Amino acid sequence: DAKTTQPTSMDCAEGRAANLPCNHSTISGNEYVYWYRQIHSQGPQYIIHGLKNNETNEMASLIITEDRKSSTLILPHATLRDTAVYYCIVRPRGTGGFKTIFGAGTRLFVKA
Amino acid sequence: DTEVTQTPKHLVMGMTNKKSLKCEQHMGHRAMYWYKQKAKKPPELMFVYSYEKLSINESVPSRFSPECPNSSLLNLHLHALQPEDSALYLCASSQGQGVYNEQFFGPGTRLTVL
Repeated sequence: DAKTTQPTSMDCAEGRAANLPCNHSTISGNEYVYWYRQIHSQGPQYIIHGLKNNETNEMASLIITEDRKSSTLILPHATLRDTAVYYCIVRPRGTGGFKTIFGAGTRLFVKA
Repeated sequence: DTEVTQTPKHLVMGMTNKKSLKCEQHMGHRAMYWYKQKAKKPPELMFVYSYEKLSINESVPSRFSPECPNSSLLNLHLHALQPEDSALYLCASSQGQGVYNEQFFGPGTRLTVL
């Protein structure tokens, strides 16, 4: 499984966009980029995933570089409730995707 | 229903006790997972069931024994645990085989072993 590297922590002002980077330079062609977040004392929550195109849903946008070696999760208007640990994960398709390896993640603090 | 439920929320047990954790989902998912999470650490995969058969066992000690009685239910039987097994135990489910294996997590059971 490809390894990911994320900053340990980041701050963001409430109402501003939060841009969370992830490096996955060893990603292989059949691996997807997934993002989850974990708010304190809760189970992780799926946010978004992508293969090579940029993706957007009601929670966030995912920008993947053309060489697929890095990606950025964008929360367009961060709120205090977005304070959480954000995990970037790469997983292959199919049954290989069962084995989800969480890295250390980025602790995002959204401040008023 | 898009929830994964876990019971109990909290569990305190002695090293000689036998207890079980329960996880349930009614989303028709065919893959279910157990994770262990220590404080300030990421979740670590323990077991994966696919179509009610054990698919992955991440070399977990035998004092943890998973069971999948049906497609909606996943149990984790605990016996002779050690204090270092104290952690948050998370259950998750996903559709199963295929590309879109986004996992839905339950709130977890916080286990303390005395």
